[in-house]
Amino acid sequence: ELKVEQNPLFLSMQEGKNYTIYCNYSTTSDRLYWYRQDPGKSLESLFVLLSNGAVKQEGRLMASLDTKARLSTLHITAAVHDLSATYFCAVDASGSARQLTFGSGTQLTVLP
Amino acid sequence: GAVVSQHPSRVICKSGTSVKIECRSLDFQATTMFWYRQFPKQSLMLMATSNEGSKATYEQGVEKDKFLINHASLTLSTLTVTSAHPEDSSFYICSARGDTGDGYEQYFGPGTRLTVT
Repeated sequence: ELKVEQNPLFLSMQEGKNYTIYCNYSTTSDRLYWYRQDPGKSLESLFVLLSNGAVKQEGRLMASLDTKARLSTLHITAAVHDLSATYFCAVDASGSARQLTFGSGTQLTVLP
Repeated sequence: GAVVSQHPSRVICKSGTSVKIECRSLDFQATTMFWYRQFPKQSLMLMATSNEGSKATYEQGVEKDKFLINHASLTLSTLTVTSAHPEDSSFYICSARGDTGDGYEQYFGPGTRLTVT
């Protein structure tokens, strides 16, 4: 059974600071997703990482994937309040989006 | 492209009644749709996978007689919560699997907030 672990579960950070969220998973997979969820809303797709060494950046967020270490990271640079949300990683065990297993989520609060 | 809608967005029902939630892929055909449930402060848990024209596959612990799933067309799947009870109150999110041209992805709907009183 595929297990996906995120840490930390809760993260409070000051505006302007940098931090990294980690996503570890237990079986081989080449496809990993990062989503953002605002309170009361559904998932917003942030990144799709499709191969070992993949790195994608959008604004203050950068995601990377190391399939050998079974690890993905979501790095936040110079955080702003608008980034406050819950972030989920999800691993595709099927390789074709037939089965996503979600991490427990990281609730990020950016403080002024 | 790749838009998934859900209806209703929010529903309140009395205990013992049934509620139907619709999930539609608006601009693509989805041979597979997924239903997830999310309790407050928790992650998404897959309830079932439905393929067009065939019976849904339910995850362990999900009662198939309570959560009826129908996937009658390539753009529509429905989830009916039968004899709802307060413990069924949750955020239900569907996703539809479609081909983007670069491969298949799951596209998520906006969710349905169910409150059972």
